[in-house]
Amino acid sequence: QVQLEESGPGLMQPSETLSLTCTVSGFSLTSNGVGWVRQPLGKGLVWMGTIWAGGSTNYNSAVQSRLSISRDTSKSQVFLKMNSLQPEDTGTYYCARQGVYYGLFDYWGQGVMVTVSS
Amino acid sequence: DIQMTQSPASLSASLEEIVTITCQASQDIGNWLAWYQQKPGKSPQLLIHSATRLADGIPSRFSGSRSGTQYSLKISRLQVEDTGIYYCLQRYSNPWTFGGGTKLELK
Repeated sequence: QVQLEESGPGLMQPSETLSLTCTVSGFSLTSNGVGWVRQPLGKGLVWMGTIWAGGSTNYNSAVQSRLSISRDTSKSQVFLKMNSLQPEDTGTYYCARQGVYYGLFDYWGQGVMVTVSS
Repeated sequence: DIQMTQSPASLSASLEEIVTITCQASQDIGNWLAWYQQKPGKSPQLLIHSATRLADGIPSRFSGSRSGTQYSLKISRLQVEDTGIYYCLQRYSNPWTFGGGTKLELK
């Protein structure tokens, strides 16, 4: 079945670069895109960016200058890198599969909590 | 950016009651809309895609509708397990945006 699992460090310092990995199973990264969504503690969901099945990317302009999404299809992994971290980047980071219907997210990982604090 | 104005922000309803949550898009987004349910400490779960289509495995008491740029999620007979926070998502244009969420509780 379709599964996504995020991994990465839980605690980061301001100005550092965050690196997260989303490992997927049950589908191919060359068939479906994968996106990243952030949720500050107790707040709503914010789409950050997506890497499509063909390898192209789209980013939210709010974080585009700091964000990079890439993948290794042989390992079924998608990577998020975001530099110049600030405390407001604290939250749970989810990766989610883009489904066949309008590319809407249909499966989500369990999320990884990232805290940015000195 | 397309704004998705979701209402109400919170809602308390009784078992078996009909519940409706709406998202007003700031411009036309066609059927590029989904609804999600999120329970505490869990990731969102897809309920409705393409504005009106029920996702696989979702009970038929959930339904989605569209009238112009207003989108609605209806729960026909509220059950205990339906409590949580509901979000809409538009994927019509970048940046894709979620509604602010509706917290649904049992009365």
